[in-house]
Amino acid sequence: GAGVSQSPSNKVTEKGKDVELRCDPISGHTALYWYRQSLGQGLEFLIYFQGNSAPDKSGLPSDRFSAERTGGSVSTLTIQRTQQEDSAVYLCASSSLRDLAQETQYFGPGTRLLVL
Amino acid sequence: AQSVTQLGSHVSVSEGALVLLRCNYSSSVPPYLFWYVQYPNQGLQLLLKYTSAATLVKGINGFEAEFKKSETSFHLTKPSAHMSDAAEYFCAVTRMDSSYKLIFGSGTRLLVRP
Repeated sequence: GAGVSQSPSNKVTEKGKDVELRCDPISGHTALYWYRQSLGQGLEFLIYFQGNSAPDKSGLPSDRFSAERTGGSVSTLTIQRTQQEDSAVYLCASSSLRDLAQETQYFGPGTRLLVL
Repeated sequence: AQSVTQLGSHVSVSEGALVLLRCNYSSSVPPYLFWYVQYPNQGLQLLLKYTSAATLVKGINGFEAEFKKSETSFHLTKPSAHMSDAAEYFCAVTRMDSSYKLIFGSGTRLLVRP
């Protein structure tokens, strides 16, 4: 079946602009994660969605970052007033609910963001 | 809290040689551990995972890892490296809170020499 998809694959923007990154999880997966991969910080958790529960936003680095998940499926990560330190690869992952602790998270190909 | 440490940001081996990538974890509860591989310009792909069923875990592409509680280790091995194994490898542990987010090590880049 189809895996996790993300768009765009690459995004170049100017400092101060807003960007939206999209993630389509695997059909039927109720858990959705966003991670960020950057040279200085490695792979970091950003936010987690599970069904209709309140998201875990504990990894968002600042209030410029927000995310939503509509209809329990597609998710959008928004970065407002982008800064150069936001340049990174943003990875989305989804997982089924059966046993989250040991369930495999399936990753998308990522969106490579470059802020000039 | 859970954490992982990967020793060696770069490992270089000759084609056909043993691959050994090191991962040590810290966890106050029985951990769930994962190895992911990332090829250039791609996302992460699961190689294998430990979920307490068996201490020796076999994964894809001939990789395996052994969970050693006494050493708090989960090293990744492959008997014979292939050129196609060149990639970055990440060890991860599940954070045992309500989100079960993955906590990743810093990654090890594997170089395979012909």
